Amino acid sequence: EAGVTQSPTHLIKTRGQQATLRCSPISGHTSVYWYQQALGLGLQFLLWYDEGEERNRGNFPPRFSGRQFPNYSSELNVNALELEDSALYLCASRPTGRNSPLHFGNGTRLTVT
Amino acid sequence: AQSVTQLGSHVSVSEGALVLLRCNYSSSVPPYLFWYVQYPNQGLQLLLKYTSAATLVKGINGFEAEFKKSETSFHLTKPSAHMSDAAEYFCAVIPAGYSTLTFGKGTMLLVSP
Repeated sequence: EAGVTQSPTHLIKTRGQQATLRCSPISGHTSVYWYQQALGLGLQFLLWYDEGEERNRGNFPPRFSGRQFPNYSSELNVNALELEDSALYLCASRPTGRNSPLHFGNGTRLTVT
Repeated sequence: AQSVTQLGSHVSVSEGALVLLRCNYSSSVPPYLFWYVQYPNQGLQLLLKYTSAATLVKGINGFEAEFKKSETSFHLTKPSAHMSDAAEYFCAVIPAGYSTLTFGKGTMLLVSP
């Protein structure tokens, strides 16, 4: 089975621009999670979508937003980019079931200059 | 807030030596616990998970972890390190009553010949 796929693999933007990152979950998985992995800050939870709705968000400003489409794919939007937004953004999916593990994609490396 | 603590940001072992990576969780109710591995420029790969069945959990690549409620620990071990084990390892928790995975800060495993 195909794993979680993310696009693009690399993205370079300038400060103040907007970035859109995309994620396709594993077939049959309805939940999609977004994490930010910034240097020195570890893995920080961003957003959780399930069945098309935002279920939870981490401690990030509103300029981080996203959505989940009817086919369960998802996109993450970051507006008004700041230098500190430079990070690896990881998407993960999982099937229904709270103890099901998350399956991660290889991430999108966002660089803000 | 529920969390996990990984002792040691870096652990160095020789090839063939025992690998021990430490993880402690903060919860009065046993949570769901996971270990993930991240190789350079890749996403996270699930090594193993504890979901209140057997306390000794066997994972991929020869790794295992033991859930010890009295010590609130979930340490990861491997009897004999290989060069290919060099990577960053993350302990993660889904606290009881929650659906979001919270990660520890990670431990970088270095394996020398």
